[in-house]
Amino acid sequence: GAVVSQHPSRVICKSGTSVKIECRSLDFQATTMFWYRQFPKQSLMLMATSNEGSKATYEQGVEKDKFLINHASLTLSTLTVTSAHPEDSSFYICSASPAGTVKKLFFGSGTQLSVL
Amino acid sequence: GQQVMQIPQYQHVQEGEDFTTYCNSSTTLSNIQWYKQRPGGHPVFLIQLVKSGEVKKQKRLTFQFGEAKKNSSLHITATQTTDVGTYFCAGLRSNSGYALNFGKGTSLLVTP
Repeated sequence: GAVVSQHPSRVICKSGTSVKIECRSLDFQATTMFWYRQFPKQSLMLMATSNEGSKATYEQGVEKDKFLINHASLTLSTLTVTSAHPEDSSFYICSASPAGTVKKLFFGSGTQLSVL
Repeated sequence: GQQVMQIPQYQHVQEGEDFTTYCNSSTTLSNIQWYKQRPGGHPVFLIQLVKSGEVKKQKRLTFQFGEAKKNSSLHITATQTTDVGTYFCAGLRSNSGYALNFGKGTSLLVTP
C-alpha cells in the first residue's frame, strides 16, 4: 500500500518554542493531506485540511495562527506548532489519500509532542 | 453537523470469543470506512463499504453497512490476541475535500 512518512516521531520542547512536523507521501502524490490530533485513548479529531498550493482549511476552534500548515509540494505538508504550550501536548498524525476509486486514508506514524 | 457514534467504548473478551462494535451516524453516509489502531501505532485502513446493505468479509472479520446507510458494524469471530487494538469507523464529511469524521473507537482487549 501507499506509504506516508511523518517526522519526527517524538519531540519534547520547552514552552514558547515552535515545533515543525513533516508529512511526506513517499510513493504517490497528494494534493490534499489531513492533519489530525489524538489525545490518549480518544478518537482522531480533524484539525485542518492541507491543500497543495493554497491555504489550508481549518476546523472550527483550531487556531490557524498557532497551527501553521504549509503544503508546498505534492508530496510534502508541514504542521508548525507555534509558541507551544503544555496544553498543545498531544499525538499529531497526518494522512493522505492517493488518487483512485477507493479514497482510503494512509496515515503517517504520528508525532508525540510533549511541551514542558 | 454530522456525528459518528460508536459503541461500546471498551470490550474485554477471552480469546476465542466473538466481538462486535457498532457505528451510527446522525446523517446518511456515502460510504463508511473502518480502521484499526494498535496500541502505540497509527490507524490502518481495513475496509470501505459503499452500498446499502453491503456485507464484506476479511477472514474472521465481517463488516456490514446498514440499509439506510446510517449504521455499520464490525464483527470478529473467534478473537485472537492479535486482534487487540482500537477499531474506528469513519464517515465521509459531506462538505469536505475528502475528510473523515471518526467515531470514538472501540478498544478491544483479548486475554489468552
